[in-house]
Amino acid sequence: KAGVTQTPRYLIKTRGQQVTLSCSPISGHRSVSWYQQTPGQGLQFLFEYFSETQRNKGNFPGRFSGRQFSNSRSEMNVSTLELGDSALYLCASSTLAGTPQETQYFGPGTRLLVL
Amino acid sequence: AQSVTQLGSHVSVSEGALVLLRCNYSSSVPPYLFWYVQYPNQGLQLLLKYTSAATLVKGINGFEAEFKKSETSFHLTKPSAHMSDAAEYFCAVRTGSARQLTFGSGTQLTVLP
Repeated sequence: KAGVTQTPRYLIKTRGQQVTLSCSPISGHRSVSWYQQTPGQGLQFLFEYFSETQRNKGNFPGRFSGRQFSNSRSEMNVSTLELGDSALYLCASSTLAGTPQETQYFGPGTRLLVL
Repeated sequence: AQSVTQLGSHVSVSEGALVLLRCNYSSSVPPYLFWYVQYPNQGLQLLLKYTSAATLVKGINGFEAEFKKSETSFHLTKPSAHMSDAAEYFCAVRTGSARQLTFGSGTQLTVLP
């Protein structure tokens, strides 16, 4: 079974631009979560989607948004990019939503550099 | 609220030596605990998880961890380090009320020849 895939793997943008990242979960997985990883702040939760609905959101400004499609694929969007948005953005999928013991399977990430 | 503390941002061991990576959690309710490994330019790979079935959990690549409620710890160990174990390791916690994983700050493991 194919793992979580994320596209693109690398992106370079300039301040003020917007960016869209894509995540395809493992087949059959309906929950998709997004995390931001930076050297200074570590791994931080952005949001989680299940059945096209945002179920949980982390402490990020409204410039960060996401959505999930009927095939469980998810996108996240960052508008008005800032230098501090440079990070590795990780997507994770799991079979069930809300069960604490479920395993989240991570993709390889999209590395975003904002100049 | 849930949180995780990983003591030691960098750990170096010799090849063949014991690996011990420390993780302490804070949770007001029974936690579910996870260890992930991240190799350079890759995502996170699950090593093992504690879900209350057994306090000693065995994972992939010879790693194991023991849940100790009295010490609020979930330290990761491997009896004999291999060069391929060099990576960054993250401990994470999730409680029943939280959907997201809360990660520790990570421990970079270096294996010396």
